[in-house]
Amino acid sequence: KAGVTQTPRYLIKTRGQQVTLSCSPISGHRSVSWYQQTPGQGLQFLFEYFSETQRNKGNFPGRFSGRQFSNSRSEMNVSTLELGDSALYLCASRASYEQYFGPGTRLTVT
Amino acid sequence: AQKVTQAQTEISVVEKEDVTLDCVYETRDTTYYLFWYKQPPSGELVFLIRRNSFDEQNEISGRYSWNFQKSTSSFNFTITASQVVDSAVYFCALSFPSGGSYIPTFGRGTSLIVHP
Repeated sequence: KAGVTQTPRYLIKTRGQQVTLSCSPISGHRSVSWYQQTPGQGLQFLFEYFSETQRNKGNFPGRFSGRQFSNSRSEMNVSTLELGDSALYLCASRASYEQYFGPGTRLTVT
Repeated sequence: AQKVTQAQTEISVVEKEDVTLDCVYETRDTTYYLFWYKQPPSGELVFLIRRNSFDEQNEISGRYSWNFQKSTSSFNFTITASQVVDSAVYFCALSFPSGGSYIPTFGRGTSLIVHP
């Protein structure tokens, strides 16, 4: 089975812009979660989608949003980018108890 | 509230040494799941193992072994005869079932550096 894929792998944006990241889960996995990883805060949960519905949300401002499509693919959007949004954004899919992660999108905000 | 503590920020060893990565967790739930993930420099978190709270059996997989002890709330990971390819950041995580979700709480990670 193919693993979790994320596009793009690297992104450079300017403060104030918005960005959309994409994630394709492992075939058959209906749960997709997003995480932000920074050296200062570690791995932080953003949100989880299951069958096109947001099931859980972490403690992030409303600038961070996401959605899931009928084929389980997911996108996350960050509007009005801030310098502090620079991070590795990881997507994970799950069928059972453990999550399987993609390679991440490294976002740099200048 | 759940919490995972990986007290070792960085460990440096020479190849072929054995190394143990510590993980201590806190939870009030009786049903929970513990995980170890490896994050090499490429960035992708690789799932290594899952243990549920009712199964305290230790596990061995090749050079990797895990020691789960509920009495001390610990889930330690040992790499025997370490190799340079083991260099990575290792994360311990804890989750519990909540409405079909199993959102893990991650520790801060332990960076393992294996020198040739």
